[in-house]
Amino acid sequence: QKEVEQDPGPLSVPEGAIVSLNCTYSNSAFQYFMWYRQYSRKGPELLMYTYSSGNKEDGRFTAQVDKSSKYISLFIRDSQPSDSATYLCAIRNPGAGSYQLTFGKGTKLSVIP
Amino acid sequence: EAQVTQNPRYLITVTGKKLTVTCSQNMNHEYMSWYRQDPGLGLRQIYYSMNVEVTDKGDVPEGYKVSRKEKRNFPLILESPSPNQTSLYFCASSLLRNQPQHFGDGTRLSIL
Repeated sequence: QKEVEQDPGPLSVPEGAIVSLNCTYSNSAFQYFMWYRQYSRKGPELLMYTYSSGNKEDGRFTAQVDKSSKYISLFIRDSQPSDSATYLCAIRNPGAGSYQLTFGKGTKLSVIP
Repeated sequence: EAQVTQNPRYLITVTGKKLTVTCSQNMNHEYMSWYRQDPGLGLRQIYYSMNVEVTDKGDVPEGYKVSRKEKRNFPLILESPSPNQTSLYFCASSLLRNQPQHFGDGTRLSIL
């Protein structure tokens, strides 16, 4: 089983829709959970960063972590065409002293006007 | 403006010709890292550095070298590039190793 699984999509939604993006992970030692957004021809940019289970909200974006199920989600409310991008989940495993990030493969989202 | 700068952005070269991709950050970050991004495989870490003169291997280090002589710079060196190193490369940095990373805009390498 891969350490981080993410449905690659593509996902196409109409403008104004609520979008749900998800990742599952296998290692219960994982602690820090991040969502990055990557526009075409650009580097990933950090959207949300959370440590604990529960919800964290920032404007139209909500990150949700369920450590018992090893499942993380990103919700986008009132989606806009400018949200069209690839969304990457990233999880940090503090074990082994490496502090490496493990990334999902990304979900490509298109928001249609 | 806080940023991670990579050069070149695009490079086409031939097998065996040594090349260096530079990475520089202006945020006084301690931690820097190199990734490659390939379709279907996602982002994979090549090497990382926790501070000056401290580097370590990531998930896919074969065929790559790095150095960290100054805090702001972390060049990626391909001594003898091969076609399987054709990829999109990203440099990233963070203030401390346990904080989220800031990424550059990428370098697209094509090795013929």
